Amino acid sequence: AQKVTQAQTEISVVEKEDVTLDCVYETRDTTYYLFWYKQPPSGELVFLIRRNSFDEQNEISGRYSWNFQKSTSSFNFTITASQVVDSAVYFCALIKETSGSRLTFGEGTQLTVNP
Amino acid sequence: KAGVTQTPRYLIKTRGQQVTLSCSPISGHRSVSWYQQTPGQGLQFLFEYFSETQRNKGNFPGRFSGRQFSNSRSEMNVSTLELGDSALYLCASSFGTQWDEQFFGPGTRLTVL
Repeated sequence: AQKVTQAQTEISVVEKEDVTLDCVYETRDTTYYLFWYKQPPSGELVFLIRRNSFDEQNEISGRYSWNFQKSTSSFNFTITASQVVDSAVYFCALIKETSGSRLTFGEGTQLTVNP
Repeated sequence: KAGVTQTPRYLIKTRGQQVTLSCSPISGHRSVSWYQQTPGQGLQFLFEYFSETQRNKGNFPGRFSGRQFSNSRSEMNVSTLELGDSALYLCASSFGTQWDEQFFGPGTRLTVL
């Protein structure tokens, strides 16, 4: 069975600080897909990024960056120069190749960015 | 392009009743998945429908069921409601492969009294 762990339940930072959200996953499959979603107070999950298990390149998108390391089964997410609008719950998730579109989510990290 | 819509947005029921929730996916999407979100259990997968067939099922009792219509719209039903069924129910749609981005609706907030 697969599992996703987000050990940080809550993080609080001051605006303009950098913050890293940790994600560790477990799966016996060699082909899998990793995702990050953002859930603002409105409740709707917003897709941020996806990675397949064969692509370990890090990615940067504006203030967001992701570090995928298969050796440590981690897929961490960094927000540079955080803003108040980044306040939300962030979920890391995994899909294994044989599970259709079934996402296994981590527990989520509540990020609060204070002005 | 219209997003995923879910109706109703809020629902209050009493124990023992049944409820039906609806999800309209993005046009062209054939996969609809349902998730239950609670403070204690987090986001848990209920089931996925693809081209009117259930493709995946999570670990929920038989009181939870669903279906998908030929236009890809989906409904989920919960019978004999229990207090623990109070949750945010989210549906997501996609084209149907694991790689595809899944688009989530705003959810239906179900309260069971």
